[in-house]
Amino acid sequence: GQNIDQPTEMTATEGAIVQINCTYQTSGFNGLFWYQQHAGEAPTFLSYNVLDGLEEKGRFSSFLSRSKGYSYLLLKELQMKDSASYLCASSFGNEKLTFGTGTRLTIIP
Amino acid sequence: DTEVTQTPKHLVMGMTNKKSLKCEQHMGHRAMYWYKQKAKKPPELMFVYSYEKLSINESVPSRFSPECPNSSLLNLHLHALQPEDSALYLCASSQGVMANEKLFFGSGTQLSVL
Repeated sequence: GQNIDQPTEMTATEGAIVQINCTYQTSGFNGLFWYQQHAGEAPTFLSYNVLDGLEEKGRFSSFLSRSKGYSYLLLKELQMKDSASYLCASSFGNEKLTFGTGTRLTIIP
Repeated sequence: DTEVTQTPKHLVMGMTNKKSLKCEQHMGHRAMYWYKQKAKKPPELMFVYSYEKLSINESVPSRFSPECPNSSLLNLHLHALQPEDSALYLCASSQGVMANEKLFFGSGTQLSVL
């Protein structure tokens, strides 16, 4: 399978900004997803990037650099409810979607 | 309706029991999936159904048996499970069958095997 790497845990302060990075092998890359998952709940779709650049959706933005095999999810004006796991996922060639290990984000007051 | 509905939400079963997990979507999606997720781990793909036919089986033990009765329903039949099979079982669907399709997940069934 393809390797997708992201930090295991991060902590940030309410009202601040946090960037969650994701790196992946570039061979056969199709596009990159970000999902949010609260503990004990289903993952929910946040973003999908297939072209280079930044895509903004309200407080959340996602960036992709295909040549560098790099993406990040940027969360602004952090709220306590943003405490969750953030999963980076991609597919390569015709293979199934592969998830990274997920980043557990904890927001502190 | 943009939901994937899973039942039951919680299930406790013994190693000799037979039970089934159910999943339903009415979005007209042509691909449906079963994922297994252990605590603090990412979802792991188990099965993919494409146009009601099994297209991917990720070398899952035969004590897990999927079934797709129609385009809206997906079942996972469980028999003679082991305690290590305890996990959150997630159903998902996607509009198409390409690998880069957005997945819609159900809320999952939290399974405990005693």
